[in-house]
Amino acid sequence: GDSVTQTEGQVALSEEDFLTIHCNYSASGYPALFWYVQYPGEGPQFLFRASRDKEKGSSRGFEATYDKGTTSFHLRKASVQESDSAVYYCALGDRGSALGRLHFGAGTQLIVIP
Amino acid sequence: EAAVTQSPRNKVTVTGGNVTLSCRQTNSHNYMYWYRQDTGHGLRLIHYSYGAGNLQIGDVPDGYKATRTTQEDFFLLLELASPSQTSLYFCASSDPQGSNTEVFFGKGTRLTVV
Repeated sequence: GDSVTQTEGQVALSEEDFLTIHCNYSASGYPALFWYVQYPGEGPQFLFRASRDKEKGSSRGFEATYDKGTTSFHLRKASVQESDSAVYYCALGDRGSALGRLHFGAGTQLIVIP
Repeated sequence: EAAVTQSPRNKVTVTGGNVTLSCRQTNSHNYMYWYRQDTGHGLRLIHYSYGAGNLQIGDVPDGYKATRTTQEDFFLLLELASPSQTSLYFCASSDPQGSNTEVFFGKGTRLTVV
């Protein structure tokens, strides 16, 4: 079945550091890829998506590029802030009408030290 | 602002007990979802629905029933609760037929089965 692997369970950085969270996927078809962010006490929030090879998604300074060749969708940010501390989820979704049927990775907790 | 409201926010029940988790969305979305969130697994889809009276099986449906009574209301039923169902449950809604591909999550219900 479809699956998503996030390599890092936790990442600790200082403010203004560069962030990379790795995401690799396995899917039988050509899925849409997503990043969601979850703050304490809240549900996951949509960050951005990409739906075709080489497409870049971005929001709030975060970005990721859909790479079908390496089956990856790594999250990057040039300069993190303390307010970016949260759990980040990579997810893949079916195309078309079942787009909300998401397969999530295990999540990566980002801790930004001021 | 899209809204998904879950109740109760916290629930404790005994093994073998009967539990109903409620979800209401005011987004006028057709699709609604129930996910469970567990450390190391991210979020996993239990059931989903694309309209009143419709029910689709997700990836981890065993031990759960669901019912969609109206476009707004989606319920998750645990008829014989077990400790393995202790988890954080999220309801979500989406409208993949429109231009907005975002899935909106509620704040979650924390269920403890003792």
